[in-house]
Amino acid sequence: GQNIDQPTEMTATEGAIVQINCTYQTSGFNGLFWYQQHAGEAPTFLSYNVLDGLEEKGRFSSFLSRSKGYSYLLLKELQMKDSASYLCADQAGTALIFGKGTTLSVSS
Amino acid sequence: GAVVSQHPSWVICKSGTSVKIECRSLDFQATTMFWYRQFPKQSLMLMATSNEGSKATYEQGVEKDKFLINHASLTLSTLTVTSAHPEDSSFYICSAREVLAGDYNEQFFGPGTRLTVL
Repeated sequence: GQNIDQPTEMTATEGAIVQINCTYQTSGFNGLFWYQQHAGEAPTFLSYNVLDGLEEKGRFSSFLSRSKGYSYLLLKELQMKDSASYLCADQAGTALIFGKGTTLSVSS
Repeated sequence: GAVVSQHPSWVICKSGTSVKIECRSLDFQATTMFWYRQFPKQSLMLMATSNEGSKATYEQGVEKDKFLINHASLTLSTLTVTSAHPEDSSFYICSAREVLAGDYNEQFFGPGTRLTVL
């Protein structure tokens, strides 16, 4: 089965850098996803890692260590609009299994 | 990116009635669609995997007779909440996986349907 763990809440200030960690224990690993979700809206895709290492995409980067069952999402130059929930998800077969999400609050 | 629509975006119904939610992939074909449910301040919980032309696969604890799923074409899946009760009030989100996605399982999410059962 899947067991995905991430912090419930985080706070940061504009312009700062924040790292959101995610640990997972899965019976079959097919990739690790990060999604952003604003309140009342559907999740939007941020990143996908299947190999170890860092994937950089603009202000957002995602890291994966398969041996440690660990990933993180790094957000740089934080903006107020980055206030949202960030969901770590593992691919199980063809479905995505989501963690409980980390609510990030960015203040000025 | 690919677009997935849901209809209706919100619905209010009386307890005991049935509600149908449609999920459409607008510019791609989806052999597989997924239905999720999200309660306030909680994450998305996978309810079922919907495969075109075959029966849906339900997750443990999800009643297949209560949540009827029909995936009649490569662009449409429907979720019917039968005999809805207040505890079924939730945010229902579908997602679709593109046919040619291969091993890369990027899913495209619909905007969600907020169901309120009185």
